[in-house]
Amino acid sequence: EVQLVESGGGLVKPGGSLRLSCAASGFTFSSYSMNWVRQAPGKGLEWVSSISSSSSYIYYADSVKGRFTISRDNAKNSLYLQMNSLRAEDTAVYYCAGVDSSGYYSVWGQGTLVTVSS
Amino acid sequence: EIVLTQSPATLSLSPGERATLSCRASQSVSSYLAWYQQKPGQAPRLLIYDASNRATGIPARFSGSGSGTDFTLTISSLEPEDFAVYYCQQRSNWPPAYTFGQGTKLEIK
Repeated sequence: EVQLVESGGGLVKPGGSLRLSCAASGFTFSSYSMNWVRQAPGKGLEWVSSISSSSSYIYYADSVKGRFTISRDNAKNSLYLQMNSLRAEDTAVYYCAGVDSSGYYSVWGQGTLVTVSS
Repeated sequence: EIVLTQSPATLSLSPGERATLSCRASQSVSSYLAWYQQKPGQAPRLLIYDASNRATGIPARFSGSGSGTDFTLTISSLEPEDFAVYYCQQRSNWPPAYTFGQGTKLEIK
């Protein structure tokens, strides 16, 4: 079964840090470009960051550039998002999503909630 | 930055009716547009990619059309499980981004 499972979410104070993980199974993780997408409570979807299959290309949304770092470990079939200098507006469900040959997000995790509040 | 505008924000229809959802891009995205369905408490699901190709396992009642700046998702005859929020998304190589529209909520009338 194709599966992505996120972990690492929780409550953090403004200015704090958090590291999200995404464990992949059931497909060839090393062949997929991977992404983080977030959704603030009651709001729409926002692309956060992308990393190519070999980590050669990494991109960030302007809203997180300089604060978030995406990485992956193909040997462990895992994707990560290091989030620093967190703000209230970073509060959201964070999804990891995989891009297949279609070029779009064909595989999604169930999401992990990050709440930034004092 | 390319902006995607979806309309209407909310669409109220009955099962069996035809649904037509629109997505307009602020500049041409060629055919690099996808549609996703999201139900409450669930992750989005890819329905249509490259404007008109159905993703694996998606029923034939879902179809997509358009190119350039104007795109349409059509559900030919609504089933009860189709009531959800639908998002369009474009992918651009430069600047690298996957921009989403704000969503259309399809609700039961």
